[in-house]
Amino acid sequence: ETGVTQTPRHLVMGMTNKKSLKCEQHLGHNAMYWYKQSAKKPLELMFVYNFKEQTENNSVPSRFSPECPNSSHLFLHLHTLQPEDSALYLCASSVTETTSTDTQYFGPGTRLTVL
Amino acid sequence: TQLLEQSPQFLSIQEGENLTVYCNSSSVFSSLQWYRQEPGEGPVLLVTVVTGGEVKKLKRLTFQFGDARKDSSLHITAAQPGDTGLYLCAARDTGRRALTFGSGTRLQVQP
Repeated sequence: ETGVTQTPRHLVMGMTNKKSLKCEQHLGHNAMYWYKQSAKKPLELMFVYNFKEQTENNSVPSRFSPECPNSSHLFLHLHTLQPEDSALYLCASSVTETTSTDTQYFGPGTRLTVL
Repeated sequence: TQLLEQSPQFLSIQEGENLTVYCNSSSVFSSLQWYRQEPGEGPVLLVTVVTGGEVKKLKRLTFQFGDARKDSSLHITAAQPGDTGLYLCAARDTGRRALTFGSGTRLQVQP
């Protein structure tokens, strides 16, 4: 148990569906992250939020839409996804984004399958 | 964008053997971290190294940061089945705050 929870753990959706992934951290951290982990590529950073403000968007397609209503919660809204978007989506948090040695705590991930 | 290359990609060994995995790049890092990820879980931080030439030990695991801060190695002594998992290195270069991850080394230790 890392203090970062993600729901759902598994999600199967069609290309026309709209769904959302949820992440919650109970660590009092101020920075939250979305990563994509697929079989054929290294772990890829998607978005970074620091004190609820988005500080990095790593050229992610607009069919992925993040939302950070407060420092404890992070959402990833999904719509009109493609089969190649199937992957493990990991959420992480850290005390702050600005310290180079800061530890990131990861949730268990949501395994997404797009049919 | 820096590229972190990890080798080997896969490693299957018997319990009690020693092994070393490597993380290399052409970029200089301000810090480098090693994570382990077990099936069905997210990565968990093992160690952070920040000084060139630094060596850190965590029980049977020894981590070394290259003198030029471009590479790192992880050595496991007397591997155990509980060491099985995906080992990821991650680093920040001097100009960015976000982490870049290597492709990982998948280790399986047979009892």
